[in-house]
Amino acid sequence: RKEVEQDPGPFNVPEGATVAFNCTYSNSASQSFFWYRQDCRKEPKLLMSVYSSGNEDGRFTAQLNRASQYISLLIRDSKLSDSATYLCVVNRESRNAGNMLTFGGGTRLMVKP
Amino acid sequence: DTEVTQTPKHLVMGMTNKKSLKCEQHMGHRAMYWYKQKAKKPPELMFVYSYEKLSINESVPSRFSPECPNSSLLNLHLHALQPEDSALYLCASRWTGGGTEAFFGQGTRLTVV
Repeated sequence: RKEVEQDPGPFNVPEGATVAFNCTYSNSASQSFFWYRQDCRKEPKLLMSVYSSGNEDGRFTAQLNRASQYISLLIRDSKLSDSATYLCVVNRESRNAGNMLTFGGGTRLMVKP
Repeated sequence: DTEVTQTPKHLVMGMTNKKSLKCEQHMGHRAMYWYKQKAKKPPELMFVYSYEKLSINESVPSRFSPECPNSSLLNLHLHALQPEDSALYLCASRWTGGGTEAFFGQGTRLTVV
């Protein structure tokens, strides 16, 4: 089983739709969580950190469920410019190994006019 | 300055060549990472440096040799690579403590011929 798992998609949605992505992680020692966005042939860029209480940034809402080891991202009112791959990233820190940042496989979103 | 700078942006090398990839950041981050990314796949962790010491080597072949000369610089020395090593090589940095995000460079697109 992979440490961080995502549905690869693609999710094809019309403009204005609401779309939700899920991510599960296997290591209960994971400490911090992020959603990154990656455009084709570009580097990953932080979309938002994910906090235990849930957090919102404009049209984007992230949720964390530690008991179920599950993270979600909700995008409301999708724009064409939201088309990208969304990467779930999990951080685990250990005294010996330092910081482990592990990526999920990514979920591809395509927003159509 | 929230930039991670990688050079070169593109590199074509023969299987007998020796080349180096460079990464620089001036954000005072003390954790630095090398990732390898193949097309349509997520980034795969190669190495982690924490306070200029190699803390994680994800079983990377010895033809890849990392070096961290100081807290701002990270190099990846390449020697006798194979065509299957062609990929996007991403450098990232972050603070070592807490749930802080990683910042990525634009990557070096490497082609081995």
